[in-house]
Amino acid sequence: QKEVEQNSGPLSVPEGAIASLNCTYSDRGSQSFFWYRQYSGKSPELIMSIYSNGDKEDGRFTAQLNKASQYVSLLIRDSQPSDSATYLCAVNSGGSNYKLTFGKGTLLTVNP
Amino acid sequence: DAGITQSPRYKITETGRQVTLMCHQTWSHSYMFWYRQDLGHGLRLIYYSAAADITDKGEVPDGYVVSRSKTENFPLTLESATRSQTSVYFCASSDPGGGPSTQPQHFGDGTRLSIL
Repeated sequence: QKEVEQNSGPLSVPEGAIASLNCTYSDRGSQSFFWYRQYSGKSPELIMSIYSNGDKEDGRFTAQLNKASQYVSLLIRDSQPSDSATYLCAVNSGGSNYKLTFGKGTLLTVNP
Repeated sequence: DAGITQSPRYKITETGRQVTLMCHQTWSHSYMFWYRQDLGHGLRLIYYSAAADITDKGEVPDGYVVSRSKTENFPLTLESATRSQTSVYFCASSDPGGGPSTQPQHFGDGTRLSIL
């Protein structure tokens, strides 16, 4: 059973701080990694994709991937109350290039 | 730009009834997926489809049936609903892309299903 593990949180940070969300995965063959944001009562929304080791930045979001350590993270700089949501890590799984396995998510709360 | 739409948004039914959840996408994506999301379990894959007339089981397929006669539609049927199938159901789709990398999945708004 391929697994994707995330800290369930809740993670609480003050407004303007950096929020760091972490994810580990068990399938060494995984090559595609995604971060989704899910507001309460809403559907998951893609915010970042990363395929290569290193950092990928998009606005206030930075995804970091370390395949050797089987670790992917998401940094949110200058956190805003509107960033308060559950963040889901997803990894391609089972040798498939289209199926994803999702972590259970980390609840982030940004306090004004 | 409708994207991916699910219907109904909310449904209440009784145990033993058959219920069908609809999913329609306008992107012509090859891949479509059905997930259920429950507290403590996260998103779990029920069924998926690589193309019209090609479907396969996911992690939790028991009690569910799917079909895909057209690329754009992927209905999910609970043949005899049970209380344990009370959940939020999400449909998603993705494009196959041109290489080995997985393309991201894009989700519909979900169906909140309650079985009494």
